[in-house]
Order: sequence, then structure tokens, then C-alpha cells
Amino acid sequence: AQSVAQPEDQVNVAEGNPLTVKCTYSVSGNPYLFWYVQYPNRGLQFLLKYITGDNLVKGSYGFEAEFNKSQTSFHLKKPSALVSDSALYFCAVRDMVVTGGGNKLTFGTGTQLKVEL
Amino acid sequence: GAGVSQSPSNKVTEKGKDVELRCDPISGHTALYWYRQSLGQGLEFLIYFQGNSAPDKSGLPSDRFSAERTGGSVSTLTIQRTQQEDSAVYLCASSLESNGYNEQFFGPGTRLTVL
Repeated sequence: AQSVAQPEDQVNVAEGNPLTVKCTYSVSGNPYLFWYVQYPNRGLQFLLKYITGDNLVKGSYGFEAEFNKSQTSFHLKKPSALVSDSALYFCAVRDMVVTGGGNKLTFGTGTQLKVEL
Repeated sequence: GAGVSQSPSNKVTEKGKDVELRCDPISGHTALYWYRQSLGQGLEFLIYFQGNSAPDKSGLPSDRFSAERTGGSVSTLTIQRTQQEDSAVYLCASSLESNGYNEQFFGPGTRLTVL
């Protein structure tokens, strides 16, 4: 079975400071990993994904994430936070081992990011 | 091009009534997914369609929930005899194909409130 954990319900950071939103996963094979962002009253928007290759993945809006296989983590980062980055962030995983379940993603419970002036 | 659209955006119903939620995926996307998002919870997978294959219904919480996808495009999620615990935001997503690594594109959701 595949699972993902986001240990922090909320992260607060000052504008201009670096931000990190944590994600750890569990799969039986190798993972496909995704980050999505949800702004109030909106659907989820894709930010970035790790499939294979370089462990550092760059995505939309200046976000990046680092895949760490030994720590089974895929933390989301941004060097300099903006107030407009305030939103709900979801990490998601799919096990590359085909279990007959198709392209099912398992999502974390989300981390609310609050960037303050 | 247009993204994933869902209707209605909000639905308030009385306990015991049936509701239908609609999803229009991105044109050309062969895979379509329904999720449920409850307050303080992550996204709960409900059902998945891929082309003409039989849908994966493994996430449907009870037999009151059903979904269909007509002509490989529009999908309808039906909840019969709604209960208060069905109150949630229902999200639809589509992706180019079901190969595991295509990102999913989400609609804005339908907020369902069961009184």
C-alpha cells in the first residue's frame, strides 16, 4: 500500500524568508511524487513532480522539491516566500509498482502555509 | 484551452434526497477521477475512469455512491439518499492518460451540504 504524511498542519514564515513544507512517503516500489497547491475556494493546481532523474525538481512559481530516497522524503521548498504563496499544499504519491489500481494518487492531509509581512 | 469544469459549484440538499454532480474534463484527457475533500482531511479517492475500461470503484464509500462517464467525456457522480456525513467538497480531475506520471488537472469542486 502507498501512503504519504505531511507532519505539519500549518507552517508560518515571514515574507522573504525561505520556506519548507515537509512530506514523507511509503511505497513498496519506487514512487511518483507530486505537489499540488489549493487556494481558497479553488481546485488543486499542479506545482511539480518527481518521476525519475535529478533529485531536485523545479516547478511553478519558484517552488522546488528534493527527492530523498534514503529518507523517503519529498520536501517542498522556496528560497524566498511571498504573501501570495499562502495556501494549502498537498503532497501526493503513486507507487510505480502496478497493483492493478490504475493511476491512483494517495494524498496527504495538507499543510496550510501562511506567509506574513 | 478550458480546464476541468464542475457543476453546480454549491449544492444544499436535505437528508435523504438524491444529488447529481457533474464534471467536464479537459478535452482529450482519457482518465477522469473523483475525489472527496472533507474539512481537515486530505483528498479521498472515490472512483477512476480510464477510456473504455471498467472503472475502478474501490474508493466509493457505500453503495449509495455511483458514477458514470458517458462517451468517454462528461462524468456524473450520483449520491442517493444523502446523509449528513456526505457533506464535503467533491473534486473532479482529469489527466492525459493513465500511465501514472501524468499530472492530474482539477476542477474547482462542488461543495455539498446535507442538512
